[in-house]
Amino acid sequence: DQQVKQNSPSLSVQEGRISILNCDYTNSMFDYFLWYKKYPAEGPTFLISISSIKDKNEDGRFTVFLNKSAKHLSLHIVPSQPGDSAVYFCAASASNTGKLIFGQGTTLQVKP
Amino acid sequence: GAVVSQHPSWVICKSGTSVKIECRSLDFQATTMFWYRQFPKQSLMLMATSNEGSKATYEQGVEKDKFLINHASLTLSTLTVTSAHPEDSSFYICSAELTNEKLFFGSGTQLSVL
Repeated sequence: DQQVKQNSPSLSVQEGRISILNCDYTNSMFDYFLWYKKYPAEGPTFLISISSIKDKNEDGRFTVFLNKSAKHLSLHIVPSQPGDSAVYFCAASASNTGKLIFGQGTTLQVKP
Repeated sequence: GAVVSQHPSWVICKSGTSVKIECRSLDFQATTMFWYRQFPKQSLMLMATSNEGSKATYEQGVEKDKFLINHASLTLSTLTVTSAHPEDSSFYICSAELTNEKLFFGSGTQLSVL
C-alpha cells in the first residue's frame, strides 16, 4: 500500500527552465509534507516543507504547492541548475504517528 | 545546520557475520532516531523507530532479532545486522529528530554481504 506516490521516475529539463516534481498521497491524516534531495550513496538532505494549513511555501528557487482536496503536492524549482540534478523524494507524516512515509523518488536531470 | 554522522559509510562482510552501524547526532540531542533501508531505485523504507532508553519499535515485516537497535544515549543509536546474508545487502540510512517532524539524515551505509 503506497501511501505516498511519485509517479514520474525521472524528469529531464533544460538549465534555466522550471522543474516541476509531483507527489500524490492517499492518507487524509497526513498533515505535514517535506521534500528531500538525495545524491547517490548519500543520505537525503532536507529541502523544503509545508504544513497542511498552508497551500504554498517558498524558499529561494524552491516552492512547494499543496492541494489538499486533490491530495497532491508539487515542488517547483526555478530556474533549474545542473547542480539540482539528483533524486527528489517527497515525504509525508501525520502528527499522530510522527513517522515519515516516503515516495519512490524522482530522478531530476538538468541539462546545461 | 544540524549534523548526523553515520559510520561506516560502506562495509563488505562475509555471510553469517554481524555488522554494526552507528548513528550519532553531533550537535543536538535526539530522543528519537529512525533507521531506513533503501534498495536500488526504490524508496526509503522505515525499518524501526529508536527511542533513547527504551526498546525500538519495528515496522511490520522487519525482524527485530535480525536487526538489533540500541539507543543508549541521546546522541547515539546503533543498528546491528546479525548473521548477515546476501539479501541483507542494501543502503541503510539513519535519521535523528531535531524538532517535531524535522529530521536530519546520516550519510548512509552501503552494506554488501558476500
